[in-house]
Amino acid sequence: QVQLQESGPGLVKPSETLSLTCAVSGYSISSGYCWGWIRQPPGKGLEWIGAVYHSGHTHYDPSLKSRVTISVDTSKNQFSLRLSSVTAADTAVYYCARQPHYYDNSGYRYYMDVWGKGTTVTVSS
Amino acid sequence: DIVMTQTPLSLSVTPGQPASISCKSTQSLLHSDGRTYLYWYLQRPGQPPQVLIYEASKLFSGVPDRFSGSASGTDFTLKISRVEAEDVGVYYCMQSIQLPLTFGQGTRLDIK
Repeated sequence: QVQLQESGPGLVKPSETLSLTCAVSGYSISSGYCWGWIRQPPGKGLEWIGAVYHSGHTHYDPSLKSRVTISVDTSKNQFSLRLSSVTAADTAVYYCARQPHYYDNSGYRYYMDVWGKGTTVTVSS
Repeated sequence: DIVMTQTPLSLSVTPGQPASISCKSTQSLLHSDGRTYLYWYLQRPGQPPQVLIYEASKLFSGVPDRFSGSASGTDFTLKISRVEAEDVGVYYCMQSIQLPLTFGQGTRLDIK
C-alpha cells in the first residue's frame, strides 16, 4: 500500500524559503509515476503547485514558476518542494500526492490518486 | 488557464435522498485520445481529498457505486443516488487536459 508523508517546518518567516519533503513508502519512485504538490490556503480551495517525474522532469503552475523548485531523490525515495520569497499568501496546508499520468506529443495529463495527510505551513514573522 | 465553475456552492441533503453537483469548464476536456480529463474529489473534514470519479464517468476503485459521473460537452455532473452521513465534506471537480491543473471552487455537502 502506497503511503506519502510530508515533513518540514511549520513556520517560515516572510521572504524566506519554504522547504518540504514527501517520503514515499510502499512504492519505488524510480519505477514511474509523476509526484506532485498541492496546497490549500485556510478556508479555501485546492491549488496545484507542480509535479516531478521520476526522471527529474518538472511542471509548475505558471503563477508560481519563478519561485518553485520540485526535485526528486530516488535514493531516499522522496521528493521535495522549495518555495522562495514566501509571503503570508503562501500560508496553507501543503499536500504531496502521487500523480498517474498519460503522455503523448501533446504533453502530460495527470491526476492525483494517493495523497499525504498534509502539513500546515504558516508564514509569519 | 481553464476555469472550472461549480454549482451549487453548498447543499444540505436528507440521508437517503439524491444529490447532484454541477461543474462547467471554459474549454473542452475531451482529448484526441478519447478520454475526458475531468475528475471528482471528496475532501472530508480534516482529511486530504480522495478521488471518486476519473475521466468524467469512471468510478475509482473502492468508491461506492452510489456515486456516478456524467458529461455533456463542457458540463459535468456528479450524482449521489442516496446520500449517507459519510458523504459529508467538500466536493471538487478538477481538469487535467491542460496544465496547470485547475479545480472548481468546491461544493460543501452537509446532512439535514
